[in-house]
Amino acid sequence: EAAVTQSPRNKVAVTGGKVTLSCNQTNNHNNMYWYRQDTGHGLRLIHYSYGAGSTEKGDIPDGYKASRPSQENFSLILELATPSQTSVYFCASGDVTGGTEVFFGKGTRLTVV
Amino acid sequence: AQKVTQTQTSISVVEKTTVTMDCVYETRDSSYFLFWYKQTASGEIVFLIRQDSYKKENATVGHYSLNFQKPKSSIGLIITATQIEDSAVYFCAMREASSGSWQLIFGSGTQLTVMP
Repeated sequence: EAAVTQSPRNKVAVTGGKVTLSCNQTNNHNNMYWYRQDTGHGLRLIHYSYGAGSTEKGDIPDGYKASRPSQENFSLILELATPSQTSVYFCASGDVTGGTEVFFGKGTRLTVV
Repeated sequence: AQKVTQTQTSISVVEKTTVTMDCVYETRDSSYFLFWYKQTASGEIVFLIRQDSYKKENATVGHYSLNFQKPKSSIGLIITATQIEDSAVYFCAMREASSGSWQLIFGSGTQLTVMP
């Protein structure tokens, strides 16, 4: 079973502060994704990566940066957190060639006050 | 740009009946993959079933099946003999195969409630 681990699971941050959400996968997947989930919007793609050293913008990248320093790790960085970034964030990984499914972490609940 | 739309916000059914959840998609790619995922009350998101655009046969896994209507850009999820534990949010998703982007785009989800 594919394992995707997110940390922290819960985070309270202050407006204007820097927040880093981390994701680790142990399945040697090439592709990793960051989504945010808000009521009425489903899962919206923020950033994704094809492999170590690569990051690509998704549908809603503004206010977020991503970093993929290794095959296993993919971070989402909020340089200046705002209350509008309060949400639940999910990381996912998969070997997308051939159309296989992705595997999700358990999510991080971020509250920006 | 690719887009996935689920217009049904919520559905309620009685246990042991059949339910269909709708999903329509937009893509310029001639080859793509369609997925359905389930999010349980605990927040866990799990893969259910997939349809490859080049396949004419509808995919079936357990009591989940798909109604793939390519001319209508539609991929419905059918759950037969529903159980209480099928209560969850169901997401439709799409990934283009030949554009090279590998973005996985989701719809807004449908909340299914199965009542005894």
